Amino acid sequence: KNEVEQSPQNLTAQEGEFITINCSYSVGISALHWLQQHPGGGIVSLFMLSSGKKKHGRLIATINIQEKHSSLHITASHPRDSAVYICAVLGLDSYGKLTFGQGTILTVHP
Amino acid sequence: GAGVSQSPSNKVTEKGKDVELRCDPISGHTALYWYRQSLGQGLEFLIYFQGNSAPDKSGLPSDRFSAERTGESVSTLTIQRTQQEDSAVYLCASSLIAGDLTDTQYFGPGTRLTVL
Repeated sequence: KNEVEQSPQNLTAQEGEFITINCSYSVGISALHWLQQHPGGGIVSLFMLSSGKKKHGRLIATINIQEKHSSLHITASHPRDSAVYICAVLGLDSYGKLTFGQGTILTVHP
Repeated sequence: GAGVSQSPSNKVTEKGKDVELRCDPISGHTALYWYRQSLGQGLEFLIYFQGNSAPDKSGLPSDRFSAERTGESVSTLTIQRTQQEDSAVYLCASSLIAGDLTDTQYFGPGTRLTVL
């Protein structure tokens, strides 16, 4: 079993829909990252969380440390949100070594 | 300012040859990371540097892989006697300080390595 599990693996939505991507992990962490990888491969860091909730534009990320679970929400989805969304955890005492989930492929249709 | 850059962007090599992949981190970033992404696979940690030293080499897949960093700047990932299973996109990232909870990793565009 992977230390970081994402669901769903694939997600298709219509423009305007509310989207949720989930990430569960099995190890103690000091922080969790959500990354976005567009077709063409470039990776952008969206959020880093150690507790609570963060919001940036239409993106919201939450984390529950006790339940070892994080969610990434996209409100009013748009075709330009189509990308692979990757959850990654920073383990305790790992000094920057991220462990990655397999990614969620999101396709938003107009 | 300039982001993380990597060169070459694409590299095609023959099985058994050595390759060198280069990463230029963001100026002033003391931490540098190498990852790889094989076709259809997730991201995999290889090695990270804090300054010029590499405290964690646990992710290097075999002794054919090595990396160095000089001047707290450029890093080179070397793969000796390449094998077909080494084909992947090799990604570099940098951050201001490794392990800082407020620290974001900035990723380069990657080097796509194809071993024939």
